[in-house]
Amino acid sequence: DTAVSQTPKYLVTQMGNDKSIKCEQNLGHDTMYWYKQDSKKFLKIMFSYNNKELIINETVPNRFSPKSPDKAHLNLHINSLELGDSAVYFCASSSGQGGSYTFGSGTRLTVV
Amino acid sequence: GQQVMQIPQYQHVQEGEDFTTYCNSSTTLSNIQWYKQRPGGHPVFLIQLVKSGEVKKQKRLTFQFGEAKKNSSLHITATQTTDVGTYFCAGKGTQGGSEKLVFGKGTKLTVNP
Repeated sequence: DTAVSQTPKYLVTQMGNDKSIKCEQNLGHDTMYWYKQDSKKFLKIMFSYNNKELIINETVPNRFSPKSPDKAHLNLHINSLELGDSAVYFCASSSGQGGSYTFGSGTRLTVV
Repeated sequence: GQQVMQIPQYQHVQEGEDFTTYCNSSTTLSNIQWYKQRPGGHPVFLIQLVKSGEVKKQKRLTFQFGEAKKNSSLHITATQTTDVGTYFCAGKGTQGGSEKLVFGKGTKLTVNP
């Protein structure tokens, strides 16, 4: 049983397209996150939701819009994709303050 | 804002040698966590340190949290090829507010058999 699952695992798309990445966790965690990992392996937080409420929104272009229909799901929609959006996007979840993070296996996005 | 610095960025060792990565925060941390990411994989939680001066061990891995709760280290004794990967520290600030971990840039460990 996968604890945090992301789909798709790979995504290759052209500039200007709109795409979505889905994430689901079955751990019963209250908080979910989106992280972006660039080619240098730097992990940078993008968004965080707690019980469907947005609590962290880092400096991310408006083209990125998260959506949490319930506390077990956090999706990421990206409009007008750009070359610089190419990266690995990780979804993660945690149980609360100070809790450890469980990461999904990542979505490798390549914009051509 | 809170920053977490990690050194070295890369470390190459011969199998059997020891390895250490260091983590420093610009602010006092409420806790620090360590993660390992294998090549092509995702970060996996290793351990969390909470108390000032805390030391924890996991087999050949030793984790320390500084007295001032602003720095931490991970030491691996007698590295093996299975230790290959990138090790990240991640610190949570003590000022409350939104829950988030700030990750260091990671130390990529390669082990020559």
